[in-house]
Amino acid sequence: QVKLMESGGGVVQPGGSLKLSCAASGFSFRTYGMHWVRQAPGKGLEWLAFIAYHGRYKYYADSVRGRFTISRDNSGATLFLQMNSLTGADTAVYFCAKDPQGLDQATPVDVWGQGTRVTVSS
Amino acid sequence: SSELTQDPAVSVALGQTVNITCQGDILNKYYATWYQQKPGQAPIRVIFGQNKRPSGIPGRFSGSSSGNTAALAITGAQAEDEADYYCGSRDSTNERVVFGGGTRLTVL
Repeated sequence: QVKLMESGGGVVQPGGSLKLSCAASGFSFRTYGMHWVRQAPGKGLEWLAFIAYHGRYKYYADSVRGRFTISRDNSGATLFLQMNSLTGADTAVYFCAKDPQGLDQATPVDVWGQGTRVTVSS
Repeated sequence: SSELTQDPAVSVALGQTVNITCQGDILNKYYATWYQQKPGQAPIRVIFGQNKRPSGIPGRFSGSSSGNTAALAITGAQAEDEADYYCGSRDSTNERVVFGGGTRLTVL
């Protein structure tokens, strides 16, 4: 059974940083691309970033490019999201999600984690 | 453009059929993927590809596509189908995923 478990959320001050983790199990993590998606309170889904299975290709939404960094540890089956220069607009539930394909292309996700909440507030 | 547009809200009487639509130029090229999200829960995929259902998704869920419009149909809607539904697609660069704004389905 595919399982994704996010951690690392919490309350952070504006301008601060936070690193999210996503522990994967139940599938061959090293052979699939992975995504981060967020959902602000009462709002819809916003795709943030994708990393290819090998980690060499990374793509970002305009809203986070230059501030957020996606990375992965295939030996530890873990996905990461380093978030810097946070503002109130970054307050959201952050989901890690699995790409259904093992390619260098970002395609609509098939499995989602339960999410971790990030609140940016002073 | 890779934007996807959905109606904000739709309602259906219990046991009736409802169609939730998603419009966008990118859908002329790629199939939409549909997600169901209930309050406080993560989304789950209900339809992908050319009308494919993941294991465990009831047969009353189906997908279709015509031109720049994709549709999710629920035939014989149940109370437990009340949720937010999102469409998603890859974009033309294959470097992004885009989501529609979501449709809140109310089962009356």
